[in-house]
Amino acid sequence: LAKTTQPISMDSYEGQEVNITCSHNNIATNDYITWYQQFPSQGPRFIIQGYKTKVTNEVASLFIPADRKSSTLSLPRVSLSDTAVYYCLVGEGSGTASKLTFGTGTRLQVTL
Amino acid sequence: DSGVTQTPKHLITATGQRVTLRCSPRSGDLSVYWYQQSLDQGLQFLIQYYNGEERAKGNILERFSAQQFPDLHSELNLSSLELGDSALYFCASSVGGPNYGYTFGSGTRLTVV
Repeated sequence: LAKTTQPISMDSYEGQEVNITCSHNNIATNDYITWYQQFPSQGPRFIIQGYKTKVTNEVASLFIPADRKSSTLSLPRVSLSDTAVYYCLVGEGSGTASKLTFGTGTRLQVTL
Repeated sequence: DSGVTQTPKHLITATGQRVTLRCSPRSGDLSVYWYQQSLDQGLQFLIQYYNGEERAKGNILERFSAQQFPDLHSELNLSSLELGDSALYFCASSVGGPNYGYTFGSGTRLTVV
C-alpha cells in the first residue's frame, strides 16, 4: 500500500500562492494522486487528480515529477475561505475495490 | 449539494442501543464507502460496497455492519453502541475503483450518551 507524507500544518497570508508537497515513495505504476479539501464538520471535497506532469483546474494545479514519488498541490492567491485541511491520497485497491486512506492531512491557516 | 445524501444529519442515542445510518449515492455511481471521523482518529475507512457486493474492508468493528441494496443505497448498522462510537460518519460514492474521485455526503453526527 502506498503511503503519503505531508506537512502537518502551513500558514499563509491572503493573496499568496500556497504549495503543499506530498511524498509517496511507494506509489504503484497504476496509482493516481488525488487531493481533497475538508472544512470542519463537512465531508472532504475532491480538488484535483493527476497521474503525471501537470494538471490544472479552476481551483488548483497539481505538479507531479517524472519519478512520481512526490506531488505538489498549488493554490493560487488563497483567501480566508481556503482555510481547511488538505489531504493527499494515492489509489489503494484494484479493479472495483478501493479504500482510500486519509492521513492526518495538512492544516492550512490563511490570515489577513 | 454533492449529490450524495445521508440521513439523518444528527442522531443522539444511549449506550447499548442500535442505529442505522442511510446513504444514497450520486446518480450513476456504483460504489459506496463508509468512513468514521472522530476527534482523535481522523478519517477512518470502514467498508466499501460495489453494486451490492462488499469489495474492501477497513478496521470496521464486529458491532458494525453494512449493506448495499439493489437500488444502490447503503445502510450502516451500528449496534451495542459505546460512548467511543460518537463521531461523524461519512458516506462517499464513486464510479468504482481506486483511481476515481470520491464524492462525500455531509455526514451523520452520532452522539452516544
